[in-house]
Amino acid sequence: DVKVTQSSRYLVKRTGEKVFLECVQDMDHENMFWYRQDPGLGLRLIYFSYDVKMKEKGDIPEGYSVSREKKERFSLILESASTNQTSMYLCASSTYTRGTDTQYFGPGTRLTVL
Amino acid sequence: GDSVTQMEGPVTLSEEAFLTINCTYTATGYPSLFWYVQYPGEGLQLLLKATKADDKGSNKGFEATYRKETTSFHLEKGSVQVSDSAVYFCALSDPGGAAGNKLTFGGGTRVLVKP
Repeated sequence: DVKVTQSSRYLVKRTGEKVFLECVQDMDHENMFWYRQDPGLGLRLIYFSYDVKMKEKGDIPEGYSVSREKKERFSLILESASTNQTSMYLCASSTYTRGTDTQYFGPGTRLTVL
Repeated sequence: GDSVTQMEGPVTLSEEAFLTINCTYTATGYPSLFWYVQYPGEGLQLLLKATKADDKGSNKGFEATYRKETTSFHLEKGSVQVSDSAVYFCALSDPGGAAGNKLTFGGGTRVLVKP
């Protein structure tokens, strides 16, 4: 079974702190994604990566950065957390085939910024 | 750009009732269409998918047909169970995208099935 793990299920941080969210997948997938999930808005793509050291902005990249130094690991960084970044963060991975492959999701990290 | 619209919830049903969740999309190319499900406390998992017009995806008693003429991908189940209580997301993937298979999601529909 494909497994996508995220470093924390729940996280509480203070405004201005630097926050790291880690995601690891065990299926040698090329693509990895970070989404945030908010009620009524569905999932919105923050960043994605299609190879090691490669990254592309998604729909809402402002206030976030990412790092992919190894194929299995994709990190989301909040340089200076703000209260409007309180959300559920979901990581996903997929293999590279145009448009038809399944994305596999981790369990999510619920981040609260006070 | 691409977009997905699905009915807002919550949808509350009794066990063994018929479930329909409407989903319509806007896309410039010929997208693949997906339904994902999120059970309480879990991440999303693929429920079913269809990759071309008139394809029918099915899984766990759920079905959805890719209707290009109405740009729709409605989810149906004939007899729901309490264990079907979850949030359901419709999504599309544009194979003409620059890299990877980015998904565009609808807002999600919460379904609650009562015994």
